[in-house]
Amino acid sequence: EVQVVESGGALVQPGGSLRLSCTASGFTVSGNYMSWVRQAPGQGLEWVSVMYSGGTTYYADTVKGRLTISRDNSKNTLYLQMNSLRAEDTAVYYCARAYGGNSGRFYYYYMDVWGKGTTVTVSS
Amino acid sequence: SYELTQPPSVSVSPGQTASITCSGDKLGDKYVCWYQQKPGQSPVLVIYQDAKRPSGIPERFSGSNSGNTATLTISGTQAMDEADYYCQAWDSSTVVFGGGTKLTVL
Repeated sequence: EVQVVESGGALVQPGGSLRLSCTASGFTVSGNYMSWVRQAPGQGLEWVSVMYSGGTTYYADTVKGRLTISRDNSKNTLYLQMNSLRAEDTAVYYCARAYGGNSGRFYYYYMDVWGKGTTVTVSS
Repeated sequence: SYELTQPPSVSVSPGQTASITCSGDKLGDKYVCWYQQKPGQSPVLVIYQDAKRPSGIPERFSGSNSGNTATLTISGTQAMDEADYYCQAWDSSTVVFGGGTKLTVL
């Protein structure tokens, strides 16, 4: 079965650090685009980061310099290292498999497999 | 930065057609996808590349995109379609989500 499972969410103090994990099954993390998306309580979806199969990474401006996406191919796992955490980082963090590329005229990007999410709470 | 605008809420009667719009500058020059999210659940992809349906998504879900507006259409809306819907596009190496639309079936 194709799925991703997130873990690592916790209650952390402002300024603290946390590492989220996303373990995939049924496909390889290294062979796909992989993304992190978050959702603050009662709010909409907010994209956080993506790692391409080739290793290229992109980040939302709101997390650039504080959050780092990486992967361990041997463990088929994607990570999100979160440093200098702020109250506004409080959210459910979803991991998702993504597809992206050029099809004719335009670039497409969509996420077809999502995990159940892991909750990060930043509070003193 | 690029922005996608959705109406906060849309209401529809069971069996009728629901249309949810997503607006952005020259959005028709980008590919749009749509996600459905029910309370307490993860998002589910229902439309990608403007109008394609993933396997397992009912035929009553369809999409279009032209000019500055993309539209998700649900024909013969059922009670189970009540959910939040988000449009999404790619712009300048970032993923952009719309603010979401709460679809109420009443």
